[in-house]
Amino acid sequence: QVQLVESGGGVVQPGRSLRLSCAASGFTFSSYAMHWVRQAPGKGLEWVAVISYDVGDKHYTDSVKGRFTISRDNSKNTLYLQMNSLRAEDTGVYYCARDTSAPFDSWGQGTLVTVSS
Amino acid sequence: DIQMTQSPSSLSASVGDRVTITCRASQGINSYLAWFQQKPGKAPKSLIYAASTLQSGVPSKFSGSGSGTDFTLTISSLQPEDFATYYCQQYKSYPRTFGQGTKVEIK
Repeated sequence: QVQLVESGGGVVQPGRSLRLSCAASGFTFSSYAMHWVRQAPGKGLEWVAVISYDVGDKHYTDSVKGRFTISRDNSKNTLYLQMNSLRAEDTGVYYCARDTSAPFDSWGQGTLVTVSS
Repeated sequence: DIQMTQSPSSLSASVGDRVTITCRASQGINSYLAWFQQKPGKAPKSLIYAASTLQSGVPSKFSGSGSGTDFTLTISSLQPEDFATYYCQQYKSYPRTFGQGTKVEIK
């Protein structure tokens, strides 16, 4: 079955960097666009970024443009989120999710990022 | 950006109640609307897409309707496992935007 497993979260100081990974299995990863969605503690869901199946198209929410980069390695069935110049407001659980005609049909369990000095 | 507004933000209901949650888009999104359920400490779960199509494996007590700017999620008979937070999301354009969530609590 479809499985998405995020990793790479942790505690990081403001201004530093972190790279998240999302390992996919159980489906043909290279055929699907993939998203990152985050959730600040006690808050709602916020869409972060998307990458097309062939890496040709990427979109970001305004608050992370220029700081975050979404990428993927289809040979490794892995999605990435490179997060630079981290801010306190970037704190939260980061989920990866698959995009299909039924969008966000599968989600990972999430990885917690805490930006604090 | 398209803004999504859910109402109410929270509600209290009893087991067996019929519950309706509303989602309004700031501009027309055709039927590009999805609903998600999230329980505490868990990842969201897809319930409905294309405004009214049930995701595979989702029980028929959940239903969705609407198009354009106004949408509803209905739970026909609330069960203990349905107490959770529900989110709508538009996928007509980027940035994909979620509603603020509706928390369904036990009365």
